[in-house]
Order: sequence, then C-alpha cells, then structure tokens
Amino acid sequence: NAGVMQNPRHLVRRRGQEARLRCSPMKGHSHVYWYRQLPEEGLKFMVYLQKENIIDESGMPKERFSAEFPKEGPSILRIQQVVRGDSAAYFCASSPRDGSTDTQYFGPGTRLTVL
Amino acid sequence: AQSVTQLGSHVSVSEGALVLLRCNYSSSVPPYLFWYVQYPNQGLQLLLKYTTGATLVKGINGFEAEFKKSETSFHLTKPSAHMSDAAEYFCAVSDLNKLIFGTGTRLQVFP
Repeated sequence: NAGVMQNPRHLVRRRGQEARLRCSPMKGHSHVYWYRQLPEEGLKFMVYLQKENIIDESGMPKERFSAEFPKEGPSILRIQQVVRGDSAAYFCASSPRDGSTDTQYFGPGTRLTVL
Repeated sequence: AQSVTQLGSHVSVSEGALVLLRCNYSSSVPPYLFWYVQYPNQGLQLLLKYTTGATLVKGINGFEAEFKKSETSFHLTKPSAHMSDAAEYFCAVSDLNKLIFGTGTRLQVFP
C-alpha cells in the first residue's frame, strides 16, 4: 500500500508566481490535511478537507492561499503571488476517518523556495 | 485551546544512554496525544499514540511514552539510544480534526 504521495518534492518560484502543490492520499483515505513547517519551527495546521469539501480552514492565510480535494484526483494546495515568507515545507497527511483519534499519515513534503 | 510544550529544543546523549524527551500539554478535554519522528528532509512518521486505556504506550523502535494526567505530561523515553535515533521529534495533541504540534526536539546521539 503506497504511502501519501506529494509532488513536487522541491519547488522554486520567483516572487509573484503561483505555486501548486499536489497530494495523493493513501488508498482508502478520504480525509486530507495540509500543514506548513517554517524553518526551525513545528508544523502548523492549515486546512482539513474531505472529498469535495473544505471542513476546517482555520489555519489558512486569508489571502492568496486556497485548497481543494476534488472527487477525482489529488488534493491541491495553491499559493498565488508567492512572497519570500511563503518559503517553507508543506506537508500533507491523510487518514481513513476523521483525525481526532485516527492516525494521520504524512507525506514526504514539498519544500517551496521563493526567490 | 489545546497546546503542546516541548522542553529542550536540543538533546544530546551518548549511544546506549537513556533518551528522555519532554512534552507537556494543555487540553480542556481528555487529550489524544502523539509522538512523531522526522528524519532530515523526510515526512513525519508516527512513533506512538495515546487515546484511551493503558497510560504506558509502547511504540516502534523501542520508544515508549507515559500519559500522566496529574502532570499533564507525555514524555518519550527509550532505554538505550542508537545512532539511528538521531532525528527531530515532535509531540502533538489532537484538537478536533487537526494536530497541534510542539516546536520539536532535535536528538543528537554521540558514539
């Protein structure tokens, strides 16, 4: 059973460009979570999605960031007009049920560098 | 709101020595607690978790943690450190459907 897949693993963007990060959950998992890890910090929750629904986006910046988890295909985290402060590692996790007690399985992350 | 405090951003031990990584939590409800390990440039791997039941939880790679409600602690231990244990360790508490992470403890193991 393949684990959580994320691509690309590394992404370099210039200020003002768009960044698209993809996450394919583990087979059978319908719950996806996105976290951001800034340098020398712990992970911070961004958004929780189920298929076609955003359940909790309390950790998402109000502007430039959006996420989706369509019926078919991977979950996408989109950052418009990137700035240097967006440079971070972005991790996706998935679980078969809601994550309150169920284990969240993490992908290898996408490391975004904004020049 | 739930929160996690990890005391000591860096811990160094000799190979074969006891590993103790500290985690204290704040929670308004019975907590669900987790320890994850992160190796360089990799994602997080679950070491162990506490939801209900036995307060001493055994995980992978010889690690264990004890939930102490009176001390609001969930410290991670391993009797004998191995070089391969060198990594960053994160304690987390579940808050509804998300995890709240501590700032992490980087473990160094010296030969």
